Amino acid sequence: DVKVTQSSRYLVKRTGEKVFLECVQDMDHENMFWYRQDPGLGLRLIYFSYDVKMKEKGDIPEGYSVSREKKERFSLILESASTNQTSMYLCASSPILATQETQYFGPGTRLLVL
Amino acid sequence: DAKTTQPNSMESNEEEPVHLPCNHSTISGTDYIHWYRQLPSQGPEYVIHGLTSNVNNRMASLAIAEDRKSSTLILHRATLRDAAVYYCILRDVDNDMRFGAGTRLTVKP
Repeated sequence: DVKVTQSSRYLVKRTGEKVFLECVQDMDHENMFWYRQDPGLGLRLIYFSYDVKMKEKGDIPEGYSVSREKKERFSLILESASTNQTSMYLCASSPILATQETQYFGPGTRLLVL
Repeated sequence: DAKTTQPNSMESNEEEPVHLPCNHSTISGTDYIHWYRQLPSQGPEYVIHGLTSNVNNRMASLAIAEDRKSSTLILHRATLRDAAVYYCILRDVDNDMRFGAGTRLTVKP
């Protein structure tokens, strides 16, 4: 089975802190994604990556950056956390970019910024 | 972007079939219809997808209208573990996955 793991299930940070959210997948997938999920807004794509060291902005990239130094690992970085970044963060991976391809999601990280 | 419309919530009794509708009247010819579900405190998981023909797998069936403007996810025998939010998503040539609010399915024992 495909496994996508995220470094933390719950995280509490203070405003202004630098926050790293790590995601690792074990199926050699080319593509990895970061979403945030908020009540009433569904899932929104922050960034995705289709190869090592490659990244593309999603719908809401402001306030975030990403890093993909290795194929299996995709990191989401909040350079200076703000309270409006309190959310559930979900990582996903897929083998190729195709309209019929499945995305596999991690369990999510619930981030609270105080 | 092609969008989907789903009821906010539905209820079902355990061991009865459930039909979850989705309208996508602006679907284009190359859009695939995907269904994901999200159980409480978990990330979304893939359920099924199709293009034009009806599809079956071990989890569910997908019935696609002939004009493709609507589809229905069918759970043949709902269990308590099927209680989740079900998302109907169109995958276009840009491959974007746009999740709407989904349908919250409650299964009563």
